[in-house]
Amino acid sequence: DQQVKQNSPSLSVQEGRISILNCDYTNSMFDYFLWYKKYPAEGPTFLISISSIKDKNEDGRFTVFLNKSAKHLSLHIVPSQPGDSAVYFCAASDSQFYFGTGTSLTVIP
Amino acid sequence: GAGVSQTPSNKVTEKGKYVELRCDPISGHTALYWYRQSLGQGPEFLIYFQGTGAADDSGLPNDRFFAVRPEGSVSTLKIQRTERGDSAVYLCASSLTGGNTDTQYFGPGTRLTVL
Repeated sequence: DQQVKQNSPSLSVQEGRISILNCDYTNSMFDYFLWYKKYPAEGPTFLISISSIKDKNEDGRFTVFLNKSAKHLSLHIVPSQPGDSAVYFCAASDSQFYFGTGTSLTVIP
Repeated sequence: GAGVSQTPSNKVTEKGKYVELRCDPISGHTALYWYRQSLGQGPEFLIYFQGTGAADDSGLPNDRFFAVRPEGSVSTLKIQRTERGDSAVYLCASSLTGGNTDTQYFGPGTRLTVL
C-alpha cells in the first residue's frame, strides 16, 4: 500500500515560471518530509526538507509547503531553470523512509 | 570528499544465480540504508544498519535477501536464487547518525537484471 503518492508522473514548465510539484501521504504519524532530485544514472540528491511542526520551509528558489490537515505537501521552484529538469521524489518518515513514485519535471528554455 | 559509491554499476545474471552488491558509504557515516527501485517506482526501503548491526530489516522481501556490514563501513547486499522479479536498481545511502531528520546521501545505484 503506497503511503506516499505523487499523482503527476510528469510536468512541463516554461523557464522562468513557477514549478509546483505535489505529494500526498496517508500516514498521520509521519513527522518529517523531504524532497529529492534525481538525474538519470545518478542516485537521488537531497533537496529540501520540512518538519511536521512547520508549514513552510524555504531555501533559495525552493520552498516546501506542508498541509497536515490535508496530508499534502508541495514543492515550489521559482524561477524554474532548465537545469531543474529531473525526476523529483517526495519522501516521508516516521522511523523508516517512504518515497513517492516521482514526478519528471521538464523546464523548457 | 568522496560520496557513496556502489559496485558494480550494472549486473546481469541468470535466474537462480547468486549475486552480491557492494556499497561504500561516506567515511564516518554510521548509518547505511539499502533501497530497491523498480521501474516507474520510488525507492523502497530494504534494510537499515546502525554501525555493524541491522537496526531494521523489515523491508527485506524474503529470506533470499541478506545484507551485512561487518566492520561498520562497507556493506554487501546478497541475493540468493535470483528471480526475474528481483530486477531493479539497488540504491545505497548513508547518513551521519541515522536519525530520521539526518540527510541521506545516495549512491548511483546498481542496476540488476535477472534474465
